[in-house]
Amino acid sequence: AQSVSQHNHHVILSEAASLELGCNYSYGGTVNLFWYVQYPGQHLQLLLKYFSGDPLVKGIKGFEAEFIKSKFSFNLRKPSVQWSDTAEYFCADLNTGNQFYFGTGTSLTVIP
Amino acid sequence: NAGVTQTPKFQVLKTGQSMTLQCAQDMNHNSMYWYRQDPGMGLRLIYYSASEGTTDKGEVPNGYNVSRLNKREFSLRLESAAPSQTSVYFCASLGLTGELFFGEGSRLTVL
Repeated sequence: AQSVSQHNHHVILSEAASLELGCNYSYGGTVNLFWYVQYPGQHLQLLLKYFSGDPLVKGIKGFEAEFIKSKFSFNLRKPSVQWSDTAEYFCADLNTGNQFYFGTGTSLTVIP
Repeated sequence: NAGVTQTPKFQVLKTGQSMTLQCAQDMNHNSMYWYRQDPGMGLRLIYYSASEGTTDKGEVPNGYNVSRLNKREFSLRLESAAPSQTSVYFCASLGLTGELFFGEGSRLTVL
């Protein structure tokens, strides 16, 4: 079975610091990878996705992620975080059977 | 355009009671999902439905049943609620571009 793992459970940064959140997936075939964000009290929203092609994908709000096949990783990055980025971030993958699996999430707190 | 609509938003049950969470989407999507979200555990897939008339178990199906009534609606039923089912439940549907569209969530407390 596919799975994604996120090793950072809680990250605290000051505004303007750079962000990198780790995500590893365990499936060796075709990958469809996603990062979702959940702001406090809201449902999940899509940040970015990777299906194929350029391994560096850009999403909304200045986020980007890099797919590294050799490392089975799909890490999320942002050069300079803002207080409004405080949220929970989920990595996810979608298999060929349309099963959508999520990691356990990383809670990001940005201190003004 | 409502997207994905879930009801109820909040519910308190006593152990052993039953209830159904309703979900409907108006985007003509084929695949729909039910997740539960618990602190530190992310979103765990309970059941999913790849198309009208089909349902399959996810990671944590025990204690739940689902019905894909038609293309729009996918309901989740707890036949005999247990405190371990206290959680926030999300329904979602899968768009053509691979993006999941989520409902607002249903917060269930089982006493």
